Amino acid sequence: DIQMTQSPSSLSASVGDRVTITCRASQSISIYLNWYQQKPGQAPNLLIFAASNLQSGVPSRFSGSGSGTDFTLTISSLQPEDFATYYCQQSYLTWTFGQGTKVEIK
Amino acid sequence: EVQLVESGGGLVKPGGSLRLSCAASGFTFRRYTMNWVRQAPGKGLEWVSSISHSSSYIYIADSLRGRFTISRDNADNSLHLQMSSLRAEDTAVYYCARGRYENYFDYWGQGTLVTVSS
Repeated sequence: DIQMTQSPSSLSASVGDRVTITCRASQSISIYLNWYQQKPGQAPNLLIFAASNLQSGVPSRFSGSGSGTDFTLTISSLQPEDFATYYCQQSYLTWTFGQGTKVEIK
Repeated sequence: EVQLVESGGGLVKPGGSLRLSCAASGFTFRRYTMNWVRQAPGKGLEWVSSISHSSSYIYIADSLRGRFTISRDNADNSLHLQMSSLRAEDTAVYYCARGRYENYFDYWGQGTLVTVSS
């Protein structure tokens, strides 16, 4: 099984901040890495697929990068609606999610 | 508009069985891989099982193999998850999600809650 480790597990940030979340795979997964946002009481929402491709309708302040084992999700200027939990997911060998990163208001 | 609506959740005793369903609409269901993902209360997402568009390929999490079975009916646009020998640790919201290219999950239902308790 491929393990996915996100860091940090939580962070506090202010509106307008640049936020970076990292995700590390236990083995190389090429670019088979996706990012989701989940708000309380809601289903997850796809943000980024194949490491760096922005899903239709997702604001351009979200971006993804990386390949192999190390990946990042960046929010260039945090907005009030971005406070949520973010999950990475590998799809190289079946599917595995990271443990999540909760972005809270500072 | 793509819609996925789960049903079948509820309270079940340990050792019991439950069958979840997901009704799909707004897209050509028979062309897509479909998936189940669960989330225990206050915890993260856990992939459960996936089934290819024609049911030729079925994948299930190692920890659930032998207890959970995924299936689909392309004639009535439905996805199912048969769960047996349920344990307290199976308590979770179960989501169905549409898959793209057996890669990412682009649409999700709102989930159905399964509670395993005596």
